[in-house]
Amino acid sequence: GAVVSQHPSWVICKSGTSVKIECRSLDFQATTMFWYRQFPKQSLMLMATSNEGSKATYEQGVEKDKFLINHASLTLSTLTVTSAHPEDSSFYICSAASGSTDTQYFGPGTRLTVL
Amino acid sequence: SQELEQSPQSLIVQEGKNLTINCTSSKTLYGLYWYKQKYGEGLIFLMMLQKGGEEKSHEKITAKLDEKKQQSSLHITASQPSHAGIYLCGAEQGMNRDDKIIFGKGTRLHILP
Repeated sequence: GAVVSQHPSWVICKSGTSVKIECRSLDFQATTMFWYRQFPKQSLMLMATSNEGSKATYEQGVEKDKFLINHASLTLSTLTVTSAHPEDSSFYICSAASGSTDTQYFGPGTRLTVL
Repeated sequence: SQELEQSPQSLIVQEGKNLTINCTSSKTLYGLYWYKQKYGEGLIFLMMLQKGGEEKSHEKITAKLDEKKQQSSLHITASQPSHAGIYLCGAEQGMNRDDKIIFGKGTRLHILP
């Protein structure tokens, strides 16, 4: 089956620094990738949708200058949390979908802790 | 590790009919989420259930949580074309406040006019 990986799985950083999270589709080409954030005891929140080779579409309320998304190839999308603050601490989960199907395949998530 | 099994995998329903989708967990459920996905779009959060016997409704969609059976059901009444899509259940893996969510494989719902 389709596999999506995320790296790193867990990252701790100091407040004010930037963190990059990678999302890779290992055995299929992902024309669309989604980035979600999980709030404790709450649901996933869609942050943005990215299509390969074009700018990401951000959901209302998500700061695009703070959460930089790049979908440079059909197998890789990156989310960079710039000038991270403790309130950015969360699980960040990506999912990937190919153009031939509407099924999303989820990555295992990245736990970000900002001190 | 915990697994979520959804049934059916696919469902074709005549417009106006009722339908039920089930989500069964292999382990104790601490929180159960239902999402809907339309083609090419991200997940839309529908509702969250936490307590056994809890039942929530959103428009014509009702979800229940049976803690003993480790199962949740999603029921749509008088289905409409707008209900078509993929329905995913998600569950927290533990009681910690920041445990991540795992997902079922989804139920693809088609509504016939």
